[in-house]
Order: sequence, then C-alpha cells, then structure tokens
Amino acid sequence: DTGVSQNPRHKITKRGQNVTFRCDPISEHNRLYWYRQTLGQGPEFLTYFQNEAQLEKSRLLSDRFSAERPKGSFSTLEIQRTEQGDSAMYLCASSLPRQETQYFGPGTRLLVL
Amino acid sequence: TQLLEQSPQFLSIQEGENLTVYCNSSSVFSSLQWYRQEPGEGPVLLVTVVTGGEVKKLKRLTFQFGDARKDSSLHITAAQPGDTGLYLCAGAARAGGTSYGKLTFGQGTILTVHP
Repeated sequence: DTGVSQNPRHKITKRGQNVTFRCDPISEHNRLYWYRQTLGQGPEFLTYFQNEAQLEKSRLLSDRFSAERPKGSFSTLEIQRTEQGDSAMYLCASSLPRQETQYFGPGTRLLVL
Repeated sequence: TQLLEQSPQFLSIQEGENLTVYCNSSSVFSSLQWYRQEPGEGPVLLVTVVTGGEVKKLKRLTFQFGDARKDSSLHITAAQPGDTGLYLCAGAARAGGTSYGKLTFGQGTILTVHP
C-alpha cells in the first residue's frame, strides 16, 4: 500500500500528558499537511510543509502544538500538556508539487481523559 | 477568511432516489475537491474540479464546478446503501500563481441511504 499512513490510529491519554503522532506521506509527494477534525465538522487546517520547510501555521496551532518534518519525508505532530479540548481526529495529507489535490491518511483519533 | 457552506447537513433517503449536495462560497477557489469519509477513517478523494463550468462524472456521481468557481454540486443518481457516508467539499486557493496549500472544508453532508 503506497498511500498516506499515520500512527498510531488511536491514542488515549490523560490530561497534561504529551503525545506525538507520525505521518508518512506518499513517497513522491513533497507537500505534507496536518488537519484536525472534531465530531460532526469538516477538517480544519493546522499546518503544512513543503519538503522540510514549514510554510504556514494556523492560529488553531497553539504554543502547545509543534510539527516537524526534519528530512522532508515523514512528519511528527506533538501536543504538549494535552487538554480535553484537544480530543479530535488528527489527519495528515500529502500532495505532489504544484498540485492542489490532497490525499489523506486514515487519521489518528485522540481522546484526552 | 474563506468559508464553504455545504448543504444539506443531513440527508436520509431511500435506495433508488436521487440527491444533490451543494457547496457555496463568496470566495473564488482555484480548484475544488470532493471527498467521502467513513466513520473513524480519513477522507477519500472522489474528484477534483478545476475549470469553471466543469462537469465530471464518476459512475452514478456527477460533480459540477460553478462558472465563477465559487460553488459546486454533487449529484447522485439512484442512490445505494453503499453510498452512505459523510461527503465533504474542500476548496483550494492561490495567489499570484502560487497555491496557498491549505484546503478549506465545508461542514459536510451526512448521507444515509436506506435499503
């Protein structure tokens, strides 16, 4: 399977703990995006990378959130000091250079207790 | 801020009926994508429309991009229970030939097709 992969698929954590999610994009895609989706809503943009450069961050991405893509391949999204309001599906997507069509991974479902 | 208004939010129909989902905005998009999402899974791409007035067909699904590239519709003919899911429209914008990168999503339409 050469689609976008995300790990873990599910994460349950206690409030105040740190969590890290990983995304592996489609191999030839140089753009990688993170979105957050809450129940009953469409996904909301968080941030995106072109190769290893983080080009845009949403205001939704508070100081507790950090994303990296150090070698321009996989990316990690870390949430520090999790809060119950962070509970959501975190989606990763990738796209070809200069293409707007994005392909999504299966997502990581986070539940903060 | 670009917004996409998607309607209806919920749609419950019988197998064999036709339906249309609408996606409207006051903003111009360089392209618009439609996705279908199952519970607990990521969105799966159905189609990308790029040209104003473009119509694309995918079996029983017909997608249309408005002439002004501000709106789009998804029409399903003879719906089947397998069409049940969340349908999302998402617009991409660009400036000066460079894509902004991010997609702006509508709220989604939850479609239930009863046998």
